[in-house]
Formats: sequence, C-alpha cells, structure tokens
Amino acid sequence: DSGVTQTPKHLITATGQRVTLRCSPRSGDLSVYWYQQSLDQGLQFLIQYYNGEERAKGNILERFSAQQFPDLHSELNLSSLELGDSALYFCASSPQGEAETQYFGPGTRLLVL
Amino acid sequence: SQQGEEDPQALSIQEGENATMNCSYKTSINNLQWYRQNSGRGLVHLILIRSNEREKHSGRLRVTLDTSKKSSSLLITASRAADTASYFCATALTGRRALTFGSGTRLQVQP
Repeated sequence: DSGVTQTPKHLITATGQRVTLRCSPRSGDLSVYWYQQSLDQGLQFLIQYYNGEERAKGNILERFSAQQFPDLHSELNLSSLELGDSALYFCASSPQGEAETQYFGPGTRLLVL
Repeated sequence: SQQGEEDPQALSIQEGENATMNCSYKTSINNLQWYRQNSGRGLVHLILIRSNEREKHSGRLRVTLDTSKKSSSLLITASRAADTASYFCATALTGRRALTFGSGTRLQVQP
C-alpha cells in the first residue's frame, strides 16, 4: 500500500459527460501528479501540483483540468468526454516534487461508452 | 519517440532464470528510476539511480547506468513467478521536475 488513495476505482459514463477523479497523497507529500495510461499511448504525464500551485504541465487536453486543495488532495476534472478518454488514470505523490521517487495510487479505470 | 525506450517489449523466462531489461534515453538526466506494475494496478517504485552513479543493488535487483551511452539496465536475478509484471524506466530530465516514462517491458515468469 503506497499511502496514496484514489476514488472512484471504476467509472462508467457516456460521451459528452463530465467526471471528477479524486486523489489523496501520502501523508506529508506536497506534490501530486496525474497520469493517463491507455493501451496505445502508454503512461502519459498530464499535470503536477505542488502545495496548491500548478508546477508542471504535460500532455493534458484543454478539456481536462485539475486542482490541488489546501488539504493537499487533488481532483482531475475530465469534461466533454470522448471514447478515446477511456483509460486508467493514476495519481502519484512525492515529498517535494523535484523528480524524486513517486508513489502511485491504485488508479481509476474510466470507461466512456 | 519517447524519452525512455525499454527493450525488449516482452520477455518470457522460467522461474530461477535471470531477467534483463534495458532502457535507452535521449537527453541528459538527473536520475533514472525503475517501476513495476502488476496488471491494471498502480506502479511501484523499485530503485532510483542518480546520474553520478554507475550501479545500484536492491535485493535481487541490480541496476546499471551508462550516461555515455544514455542507457540503463535492470537485472532481476533468480526470478520468481511473482515477478511477472510490466517494468518501466522513468527518466528525470535535467531541468524538469516531472518524470518521463518509457513504454515498458512485459515480463512473464513461468513457474
């Protein structure tokens, strides 16, 4: 158990809808990362937050947004969902967010029908 | 193509044999990390090797780093069926905070 929690574990929704994925980092970690893992794209870095502020941006679509709250949990919002957004979404955390070891949550499996 | 490319893409061995996976990257790095992922589960950190290190051990794992060749290898000795998983290398590029993951090696250890 990494200490990182993600909810929900599974999500089934329809195209055009909006969903919110939630992540709670390990106790004491200030940095949260979001990744998307699909069969054809591998593990893609989406975005990183550190202590409430956006720190790094990867291949995140404009339809996706994220935030980190004062209690350090983070939410990833996915809107106008398309079939191709079906994937595993992972959250990871690290103490300082300086390319150090990351601790991954169990993921949220999103299926868009 | 991706920063970290693992080779081979898939590997099948018998229990007790050694498994070697390779990772190549393109630009200078601060460190390189290896992660394991059991099917559909979260990634688990295995080992981190810094750019000024050449070799590191952790239990049955041995990682080497050759910065002149921009490559790393992960050796799992005396493999077990429980080692069956996908293995990813992740590079921490100089000047960047986020990690870049390779496409992974799928390891199957036959009992």
